[in-house]
Amino acid sequence: DIQMTQSPSSLSASVGDRVTITCQASQDISSFLNWYQQKPGKAPKLLIYDASNFETGVPSRFSGSGSGTDFTFTISSLQPEDIATYYCQQYDNLPFTFGPGTKVDIK
Amino acid sequence: QVQLQESGPGLVKPSQTLSLTCTVSGDSISSGSHSWTWIRQPAGKGLEWLGRILISGSTNYNPSLKSRVSISLDTSKNQFSLKLSSVTAADTAVYYCARGRRVEWIEFFDSWGQGTLVSVSS
Repeated sequence: DIQMTQSPSSLSASVGDRVTITCQASQDISSFLNWYQQKPGKAPKLLIYDASNFETGVPSRFSGSGSGTDFTFTISSLQPEDIATYYCQQYDNLPFTFGPGTKVDIK
Repeated sequence: QVQLQESGPGLVKPSQTLSLTCTVSGDSISSGSHSWTWIRQPAGKGLEWLGRILISGSTNYNPSLKSRVSISLDTSKNQFSLKLSSVTAADTAVYYCARGRRVEWIEFFDSWGQGTLVSVSS
């Protein structure tokens, strides 16, 4: 299985701050990576697919980049409604695997 | 707009079989090149992909579940189902069904059910 790691595991930032989360795959996955947001008690929601493509309706403050083994997810200006856990997920190989998540809250 | 809804028992005894159904509305599970997927999440933990089924009937499962898992389609009811046998407490989790949208080489889960908690306990 491809192992996905994320850092940090949690972070606290102020409203308006730029927030960056990194995701690393245990082997080259090209651009085959998605990012999801999960709010407490809710199902995950797709934000970014294929490393850098926005899902329809996703605010432009969210973005993704990277290829190969190293990927970055950025919130350009943190908003109170962005409080959630963020997961990366690879789809290069079966079984699809998720990172352990990064919990984001407001300082 | 596609909607997915999980249903099934919330409590299963150890060694028995967990059975869940996902009812899809707003989309036909027979159309397109979607995959129909099950994912679970133990309390306070991360997401685990369990498996998927394609409209062709082809299935893929997470090897971590060995041969305990099976996924099937019922096109007449626009539903797909999960069976997980020989359950233990480690199978206690929120179970999500999801649609996998597939475009060329790209695949992502764009629609999810709300999730259903299944507890394994005697």
